[in-house]
Amino acid sequence: DTGVSQNPRHKITKRGQNVTFRCDPISEHNRLYWYRQTLGQGPEFLTYFQNEAQLEKSRLLSDRFSAERPKGSFSTLEIQRTEQGDSAMYLCASSISGVGYNEQFFGPGTRLTVL
Amino acid sequence: ILNVEQSPQSLHVQEGDSTNFTCSFPSSNFYALHWYRWETAKSPEALFVMTLNGDEKKKGRISATLNTKEGYSYLYIKGSQPEDSATYLCAPNTGNQFYFGTGTSLTVIP
Repeated sequence: DTGVSQNPRHKITKRGQNVTFRCDPISEHNRLYWYRQTLGQGPEFLTYFQNEAQLEKSRLLSDRFSAERPKGSFSTLEIQRTEQGDSAMYLCASSISGVGYNEQFFGPGTRLTVL
Repeated sequence: ILNVEQSPQSLHVQEGDSTNFTCSFPSSNFYALHWYRWETAKSPEALFVMTLNGDEKKKGRISATLNTKEGYSYLYIKGSQPEDSATYLCAPNTGNQFYFGTGTSLTVIP
């Protein structure tokens, strides 16, 4: 399968714990995006990378959230000191800049439940 | 941040019925409009990318139109089938960012 993959698919954690999610984009895609989707809402932009550089961050991304893409390939999203309000689906997408109106290809998401 | 509205929020139709959804968005700073289908437990799947005013795209029984001057797009499904059951998301693209609507959840009843 050469699509976007995300791990884990589901994560249940207790409030206050740290969690880390991983996204593996399509191999030749230089852009990688993180979104969060809560019940009844569409995906909300969190941040995106072009290669290893984090170019934009949403104000939704509090200081408890950090994302990295160290070698310009896979990316990790870490949430520290999780809160119940962090419960959501976290989606990753990748694209090639300058091609096809930046069409984004999505992974299946990681569903986080904070107890 | 763009305010993107989709209606209706949810829809139940009988198999064989035709249906349509609306996506409304601010017409300024427009670059492209994307439609996605998102089935439960799967990845959102790209349906259409539309850029030109008056554009119309078709894929099997699904088609979409775009009006960039007034800021809306319609998605049509002809002869709905149970496998069409999914959430349909629209997302205007300003160049670097996608702004997703809340989606229309479609359930097709056999």
